Amino acid sequence: KAGVTQTPRYLIKTRGQQVTLSCSPISGHRSVSWYQQTPGQGLQFLFEYFSETQRNKGNFPGRFSGRQFSNSRSEMNVSTLELGDSALYLCASSLAGVDYGYTFGSGTRLTVV
Amino acid sequence: DQQVKQNSPSLSVQEGRISILNCDYTNSMFDYFLWYKKYPAEGPTFLISISSIKDKNEDGRFTVFLNKSAKHLSLHIVPSQPGDSAVYFCAARNSGGYQKVTFGTGTKLQVIP
Repeated sequence: KAGVTQTPRYLIKTRGQQVTLSCSPISGHRSVSWYQQTPGQGLQFLFEYFSETQRNKGNFPGRFSGRQFSNSRSEMNVSTLELGDSALYLCASSLAGVDYGYTFGSGTRLTVV
Repeated sequence: DQQVKQNSPSLSVQEGRISILNCDYTNSMFDYFLWYKKYPAEGPTFLISISSIKDKNEDGRFTVFLNKSAKHLSLHIVPSQPGDSAVYFCAARNSGGYQKVTFGTGTKLQVIP
């Protein structure tokens, strides 16, 4: 069965621009979480969506937002990009919670110049 | 505030020997712990998990030990193989936090043939 698909794989944006990243979860998975990975910081939790509702949110500024559609696909948006937003953004999906398996996509590498 | 800490950023081990990766946590509300492995240019993949009601869980060459009183867990890989070379992330879930999973900063394991 298809895994978690993230698009695009690579992205270069200019400071001040905005960006939208997409995540298609495994078929049947209703929970989608987003993480930011930077060197030395590990994976920082951004937010989690379940059945189109945001269930959890990490400690990121309001420039970071997301949503989930009725087919469980999720998008993450970052507005007014800063150089420090350069990172690997990872999406993970599961049926309902981490106990049921938590599968990551390959990520979107965002570079802000 | 790093609630999940992996104090060793890197570890080198000879092939065939034991690899021990350590993880400390500070939040006593964590009730479920996971280890993920990550290769470059790929998303993390689930390796093994342990519930806080257990102190050990084995899966083939991988064993996770949990010491709740010390708020410490470790991953043992025996015997280590070159294909185990990757970054290993320790993660923990809040008992009341749905899918909110907190990751450590990772330990890069190199298994030398």
